[in-house]
Amino acid sequence: ETGVTQTPRHLVMGMTNKKSLKCEQHLGHNAMYWYKQSAKKPLELMFVYSLEERVENNSVPSRFSPECPNSSHLFLHLHTLQPEDSALYLCASSQDQGGVNEQFFGPGTRLTVL
Amino acid sequence: AQSVAQPEDQVNVAEGNPLTVKCTYSVSGNPYLFWYVQYPNRGLQFLLKYITGDNLVKGSYGFEAEFNKSQTSFHLKKPSALVSDSALYFCAVSNFMDSSYKLIFGSGTRLLVRP
Repeated sequence: ETGVTQTPRHLVMGMTNKKSLKCEQHLGHNAMYWYKQSAKKPLELMFVYSLEERVENNSVPSRFSPECPNSSHLFLHLHTLQPEDSALYLCASSQDQGGVNEQFFGPGTRLTVL
Repeated sequence: AQSVAQPEDQVNVAEGNPLTVKCTYSVSGNPYLFWYVQYPNRGLQFLLKYITGDNLVKGSYGFEAEFNKSQTSFHLKKPSALVSDSALYFCAVSNFMDSSYKLIFGSGTRLLVRP
């Protein structure tokens, strides 16, 4: 729909599991983002990659580990999560980081941590 | 501190009536302002943006927004609401801080259009 795909769409994991979220953009953009969306809270920016280099890490706990192997793919590796990490995780991309260009969002991964 | 406020958690309007979703911002310098919409189980979709020039900007699905610098507002409007407009709306501002641009989102306003 928007040129940004995310898999899986839903994920249930225990606190001791390790899983990864995948994002792929087909728009030729050079910046990618991870956001966390929790109920009744503003979107929280987690990580920003520009030209495959991490340029932003918003005090995110180390149990979240991003990876950007190329400009089209972005991963979020998860391990030993807490129940409060349950949320919708959104990936986005844009041409150049921020400024006047809008971001294009994927449909999100609904994560539930038991 | 940079911030975006959407003072209404929910806006209710009858189909065919005009709608307004409010947004105010607090940033230093000239802001770039955006509106996004989120339908259930979907990601955010870009609606429109204000960068410079005409204070009234038009976007997707018949929406428009008016930039008011003196009131630091960027309210979203539509002359005639549709039931299909029911969704969650986010205002955002892009501001240069700490050597890069950051997109700061409001907490969202749920729009409910009743038939």
